[in-house]
Amino acid sequence: GENVEQHPSTLSVQEGDSAVIKCTYSDSASNYFPWYKQELGKGPQLIIDIRSNVGEKKDQRIAVTLNKTAKHFSLHITETQPEASAGYFCAASLSNYQLIWGAGTKLIIKP
Amino acid sequence: GAVVSQHPSWVICKSGTSVKIECRSLDFQATTMFWYRQFPKQSLMLMATSNEGSKATYEQGVEKDKFLINHASLTLSTLTVTSAHPEDSSFYICSATDTVRGADVLTFGAGSRLTVL
Repeated sequence: GENVEQHPSTLSVQEGDSAVIKCTYSDSASNYFPWYKQELGKGPQLIIDIRSNVGEKKDQRIAVTLNKTAKHFSLHITETQPEASAGYFCAASLSNYQLIWGAGTKLIIKP
Repeated sequence: GAVVSQHPSWVICKSGTSVKIECRSLDFQATTMFWYRQFPKQSLMLMATSNEGSKATYEQGVEKDKFLINHASLTLSTLTVTSAHPEDSSFYICSATDTVRGADVLTFGAGSRLTVL
């Protein structure tokens, strides 16, 4: 079955710097890759997603890149703000809609 | 956008009692809802997939008699933790497929923190 690995588990960056979180997946048939942000004590919120027919997607200071050949995708956050401090989870899914989750990354933005 | 409401946000109960958690889709019909469990500093663990009008599909290792799931309408699914024990203390989160944005796009509730004394 599908397996998703996420790195790093913790990432600390200076406010204003960029943050990059990477995920790899095992099943080449996976075709949907969302990223969720989870603040402490709250449910995850979708921040950006990408499908296998595109290589990159941007939404203001957030972007996701997908490399289907290498089977990895990354979340890029530029000009980080303190409110970006949270847990971030990647996931991959096949057409049966069940998401396979990464282990999560705790992002810390240092003032 | 799609909104999923989960209630209660937190609950404390005595060991041996049952607790019901509700998950509602407020502005869309959710034919499929998912129930997750999350331990501190860990990822989401899928417990079961709930389909309207039919029995839930449980993941391996999840006791269906312990975690009763009912999906009686297109906007409501409930999770009942029966005879709760301290080891059932966790953060429970529901989600629903947002058919407007795509059947594989999940919208999550805010979660319910259960503490069993």
